Amino acid sequence: AQSVTQLDSQVPVFEEAPVELRCNYSSSVSVYLFWYVQYPNQGLQLLLKYLSGSTLVKGINGFEAEFNKSQTSFHLRKPSVHISDTAEYFCAVLQGGGSNYKLTFGKGTLLTVNP
Amino acid sequence: NAGVMQNPRHLVRRRGQEARLRCSPMKGHSHVYWYRQLPEEGLKFMVYLQKENIIDESGMPKERFSAEFPKEGPSILRIQQVVRGDSAAYFCASSPDRNLREQYFGPGTRLTVT
Repeated sequence: AQSVTQLDSQVPVFEEAPVELRCNYSSSVSVYLFWYVQYPNQGLQLLLKYLSGSTLVKGINGFEAEFNKSQTSFHLRKPSVHISDTAEYFCAVLQGGGSNYKLTFGKGTLLTVNP
Repeated sequence: NAGVMQNPRHLVRRRGQEARLRCSPMKGHSHVYWYRQLPEEGLKFMVYLQKENIIDESGMPKERFSAEFPKEGPSILRIQQVVRGDSAAYFCASSPDRNLREQYFGPGTRLTVT
């Protein structure tokens, strides 16, 4: 069974600082990778996804992520965060093949942006 | 195009009662997925349905939980005889026929069992 590890449960940063949220996955087959954001008491919004092609993926709100197959990582980055980026961020993996609909999520990283 | 709708947004039930959670997928989507988010956990897959069919229910607890997606109307997740451990946020997602990898999530239903 595949798993997703988000190494940091909480990341506090100051406004306009850069941030990296780490995500590692375990899978022996091809995978598709996603980052979702969850604002308080709201549903999940897709930030970005890697399906194939370029390993550097750009998403909404200035976020980007890089797929690293050798390190089985898909870290999320933003060069300069805003207060409004405060939210929970979830990394998710979707395995290729017959069960290519079942998202496996990490436990989430709470990003808190302080003024 | 309206997004995935879920209702109610908040539901309080006493132990032993039934909880019914509703999900209306995006227009044109015939694939529905239910996920559960326990406190301080990521979302966990529960069940995948197409119209009138359960495709994969491998994540559903064996007892008290059931799901349906009738030909007409929303998908329903039903929890009978709720217990405190059922308190969680339940999210529904839908995807179009052309791409099961695109899942759009609803706002969730937060169930509290007292």
